[in-house]
Amino acid sequence: GDSVTQMEGPVTLSEEAFLTINCTYTATGYPSLFWYVQYPGEGLQLLLKATKADDKGSNKGFEATYRKETTSFHLEKGSVQVSDSAVYFCALSDRDSGTYKYIFGTGTRLKVLA
Amino acid sequence: EPEVTQTPSHQVTQMGQEVILRCVPISNHLYFYWYRQILGQKVEFLVSFYNNEISEKSEIFDDQFSVERPDGSNFTLKIRSTKLEDSAMYFCASGILSYEQYFGPGTRLTVT
Repeated sequence: GDSVTQMEGPVTLSEEAFLTINCTYTATGYPSLFWYVQYPGEGLQLLLKATKADDKGSNKGFEATYRKETTSFHLEKGSVQVSDSAVYFCALSDRDSGTYKYIFGTGTRLKVLA
Repeated sequence: EPEVTQTPSHQVTQMGQEVILRCVPISNHLYFYWYRQILGQKVEFLVSFYNNEISEKSEIFDDQFSVERPDGSNFTLKIRSTKLEDSAMYFCASGILSYEQYFGPGTRLTVT
C-alpha cells in the first residue's frame, strides 16, 4: 500500500539556520503531496502542496519540490525562526484511490532555539 | 475564509459510553473524512464519505464506529462503546475534487 516516510525527530536548530526535513513516499498511482504543520495544542494547517512532478510548493519561506524520480518531497527553509517550532507532517493523496484519503508520515518535531 | 469547525473541542467520557463528535464541513465540499491522532503518534485515516455513503474505511473503523451526515451540513462520528484506546485527537476534514483537504481544529477525546 501507499506510505510516507519522514526523517526521525526531533530536529533542533538555532535561529536562522537552514532546515531540511526529508520525506519520501511510495504510491501505486500518481499522488499529490503535502506538508502540514501542527503547532502545540492546535490542529493541522496546510503549509504547502504539489500536485505533479517538478512542481514546487512554497509558503512562509518554506519550499518543497515534487521529485518523481527519487519519490521525494523534502521540506526546506533557508532561515528558521523560533516561531517555526512545531511538528511537520508529510502526506500524500493518491488520486487513483478514488477517495483521495491522506496517508501521513510519522511527523518530525522541529525545535528552534533563540 | 470558510473553515471546517468541530465540536466539542474536548470530550471526556467513561469507558463503555457512546460519544458523538460533530463537524461542519465547508459548504460546497463533496468529500468528508475522519482521521485520528493518538497522542504523539501519526495521523491515521479512519473513514471517507461521499454521496451519502462510506467510500472507504480503515481497519481501525470497526463496528463500534459509524458516520452520518444527518442534515446536509453536519458530519458526525459516533463511537458506540468507547474504550480507553479510543482516546485521541479526532480530526474532521472536507475536500472537493482538488485533492486538497481542509482540516478542522480537532476534538480531543479522553476516555477514562
